[in-house]
Amino acid sequence: EAGVVQSPRYKIIEKKQPVAFWCNPISGHNTLYWYLQNLGQGPELLIRYENEEAVDDSQLPKDRFSAERLKGVDSTLKIQPAELGDSAVYLCASSLGFSTGELFFGEGSRLTVL
Amino acid sequence: QKEVEQDPGPLSVPEGAIVSLNCTYSNSAFQYFMWYRQYSRKGPELLMYTYSSGNKEDGRFTAQVDKSSKYISLFIRDSQPSDSATYLCAMTPGGANNLFFGTGTRLTVIP
Repeated sequence: EAGVVQSPRYKIIEKKQPVAFWCNPISGHNTLYWYLQNLGQGPELLIRYENEEAVDDSQLPKDRFSAERLKGVDSTLKIQPAELGDSAVYLCASSLGFSTGELFFGEGSRLTVL
Repeated sequence: QKEVEQDPGPLSVPEGAIVSLNCTYSNSAFQYFMWYRQYSRKGPELLMYTYSSGNKEDGRFTAQVDKSSKYISLFIRDSQPSDSATYLCAMTPGGANNLFFGTGTRLTVIP
């Protein structure tokens, strides 16, 4: 069974440029998450989807971040414009449901903003 | 105060040692407790999962939850160099609530 797939793995951009990350969850997993992980920190939730619906986006900085999950399968996270402080790893995870915390993570997209 | 506190380490031990990793938490509503392992430049992977209080053993790994003290532990017996990774504790009340992660403890097992 294929795991959670993310791309790109690495991205270097200059500040004020846009960037987008893509995630394909495990087949059949209806819950999809985007997490932010800063160096030396644990993952922090940005947004959670149940199928196509964003059910928790309270931590998503909506002035510059946006996300979508069309057709309830893969998802895209966008930052526009990027700031120096956005340098981090963006992790996508999926699960069969949302109740017990058993998440399957992708390898992450590492963003460096210069 | 953070919901979940975890000593970031780093922790270095010789091969074969017993490793003890710990987290404390403040929210008494937490019911599900997990340990994730994260290798360098990889995503976290679920290592151990426990519901409510008690112990759970899986090979060389033992997870303990003490809800009365709001304290969870992960023990690694006969540690191996391949155990070198960052270990993240995580917990949630369940239902529609979020998963809260600790900061992670970086472990190095020296051959």
